[in-house]
Amino acid sequence: SQQGEEDPQALSIQEGENATMNCSYKTSINNLQWYRQNSGRGLVHLILIRSNEREKHSGRLRVTLDTSKKSSSLLITASRAADTASYFCATDEGTGNQFYFGTGTSLTVIP
Amino acid sequence: KAGVTQTPRYLIKTRGQQVTLSCSPISGHRSVSWYQQTPGQGLQFLFEYFSETQRNKGNFPGRFSGRQFSNSRSEMNVSTLELGDSALYLCASSLGTGTIGELFFGEGSRLTVL
Repeated sequence: SQQGEEDPQALSIQEGENATMNCSYKTSINNLQWYRQNSGRGLVHLILIRSNEREKHSGRLRVTLDTSKKSSSLLITASRAADTASYFCATDEGTGNQFYFGTGTSLTVIP
Repeated sequence: KAGVTQTPRYLIKTRGQQVTLSCSPISGHRSVSWYQQTPGQGLQFLFEYFSETQRNKGNFPGRFSGRQFSNSRSEMNVSTLELGDSALYLCASSLGTGTIGELFFGEGSRLTVL
């Protein structure tokens, strides 16, 4: 399976703390994206990082990509209760719109 | 701009039946992808359609099929339903041309097979 893995599977933090989740994948990629999913809902795109980029920021989000280690991390700073959701990384190998999603990290932010 | 619309949102079927799910993409988007999400397997790619043609296909049996219409709306069909087909089926649309970009997901169709 080309599906990536995310670590940790579950994470529980206090509001205001930072949350870091990691994604590892198996093959060479063109891009890596992070998505958020609230329970039982559709996924919402957070950020995209291209294979030639090492770091990207968007608001309270910071994403890093290490293609030599085939891994990425998502940092959410100053977390809020509304950040409670599952977070998935998704990779594409340049063969069209076929994405491989990680197993997800379930984040709980305690008010 | 309206988002991706999936219908129905919930449905219950019995083994052996068939089901058709519908997806209306964002206006102007020509690519529609389908994903199956289950607790055990996570998000699995089913297929992608672009301009009425299947452009990519995941590793699912032939019971899973789809099509796309000239207005970019898409349907997927699952025949001879099995208990293991119970899942959240997610549709995602994108422009589909040029550099790969983000996917816009619908809220999903939750299928329960009894």
